[in-house]
Amino acid sequence: NAGVTQTPKFRVLKTGQSMTLLCAQDMNHEYMYWYRQDPGMGLRLIHYSVGEGTTAKGEVPDGYNVSRLKKQNFLLGLESAAPSQTSVYFCASRNSNQPQHFGDGTRLSIL
Amino acid sequence: EDKVVQSPLSLVVHEGDTVTLNCSYEVTNFRSLLWYKQEKKAPTFLFMLTSSGIEKKSGRLSSILDKKELFSILNITATQTGDSAIYLCAVEVIGAGNNRKLIWGLGTSLAVNP
Repeated sequence: NAGVTQTPKFRVLKTGQSMTLLCAQDMNHEYMYWYRQDPGMGLRLIHYSVGEGTTAKGEVPDGYNVSRLKKQNFLLGLESAAPSQTSVYFCASRNSNQPQHFGDGTRLSIL
Repeated sequence: EDKVVQSPLSLVVHEGDTVTLNCSYEVTNFRSLLWYKQEKKAPTFLFMLTSSGIEKKSGRLSSILDKKELFSILNITATQTGDSAIYLCAVEVIGAGNNRKLIWGLGTSLAVNP
């Protein structure tokens, strides 16, 4: 039982490049979330999903897209990376009335 | 606007000390309050509190919620160097479309010196 797994763990991109972050959970959780964590800003919600095939915008969705084609996977895409998207990205999942479980994070640097 | 405020922002103590971390909130449609511990990687869940006055305890850690005064405290007794971490408080609220979301505080950075 791996819990929540994020890949990759680290990545460096150039401005304008695109990439996809993968989050996979093996706990059969309905709800999944993508956050970014920046110094002095705390955890901010980017997008979330309440079930397979659904997605919704969070607090800071601009510049990101997501997809939840399979229940266990939640993908976060950056179409054209910008330096302001340099951050640590966390994925989390949960079921009803349960706390969120987090992955170990992806550290993304955009030059 | 919903907000969660943690204090202090940082704290340095010696092993064996007892610490109290604070979390106050102003939100609409409160559902629960959660505490997480974050070391180098993922935040890990500590407590979920929904009712006032009922202490939750796990080893040397305990937490309690006051829904009248809108705050929670996290106590750590006989601190150890392994308690060094950022402690995050989050309040779960019910938002538009009956969806739940977490409002996060900025965290308290605790350093326990030997």
